[in-house]
Amino acid sequence: SQQGEEDPQALSIQEGENATMNCSYKTSINNLQWYRQNSGRGLVHLILIRSNEREKHSGRLRVTLDTSKKSSSLLITASRAADTASYFCATPMNYGGSQGNLIFGKGTKLSVKP
Amino acid sequence: DGGITQSPKYLFRKEGQNVTLSCEQNLNHDAMYWYRQDPGQGLRLIYYSQIVNDFQKGDIAEGYSVSREKKESFPLTVTSAQKNPTAFYLCASSEGSPTSGSTGELFFGEGSRLTVL
Repeated sequence: SQQGEEDPQALSIQEGENATMNCSYKTSINNLQWYRQNSGRGLVHLILIRSNEREKHSGRLRVTLDTSKKSSSLLITASRAADTASYFCATPMNYGGSQGNLIFGKGTKLSVKP
Repeated sequence: DGGITQSPKYLFRKEGQNVTLSCEQNLNHDAMYWYRQDPGQGLRLIYYSQIVNDFQKGDIAEGYSVSREKKESFPLTVTSAQKNPTAFYLCASSEGSPTSGSTGELFFGEGSRLTVL
């Protein structure tokens, strides 16, 4: 079952540009998380935003959450070649009103060209 | 350094064989998870365990089995009943599950790539 869907599926930009990825989800949530995956590696947690927060920053990352639209965005500013990776949003599955295990979208594949 | 160790990194299996993927964590986390990732796809939950000696099926448990005899260890066996086992397998852990009040932030291992010959 798919909870989060990222958009676009792939994004190619030049170093120094900003990269924006979007995530839409279906049910109510208490938090939304973003993860990064380098090719052939495990996922790494980037940032968590709670349902009562609208925006959160961590270094060059900025995450927004719009619970009325059931959507989130991840902005990477001043991108670097090392940011090349796949980015996933994850939301807790809703089990009868209780928040359960994380459900991942298919990811956005970001390519940053030097 | 605390973390999650998966082994082996690469594994080849002949049809009809069972194989076991190892996952060990020294983060003292209660919850552990196994995900499967196919090319260009997101992660799909196979099994999870919130406490020692207890585990539950995820979305795609058929053809897989697990055990949780120790807090640190959560091995996954891919049985011959799994018809399409070639995939990238990821183990993860968290302090607790979202149902227990945790945010459910996951810490992942580096993955095991299984190929059926």
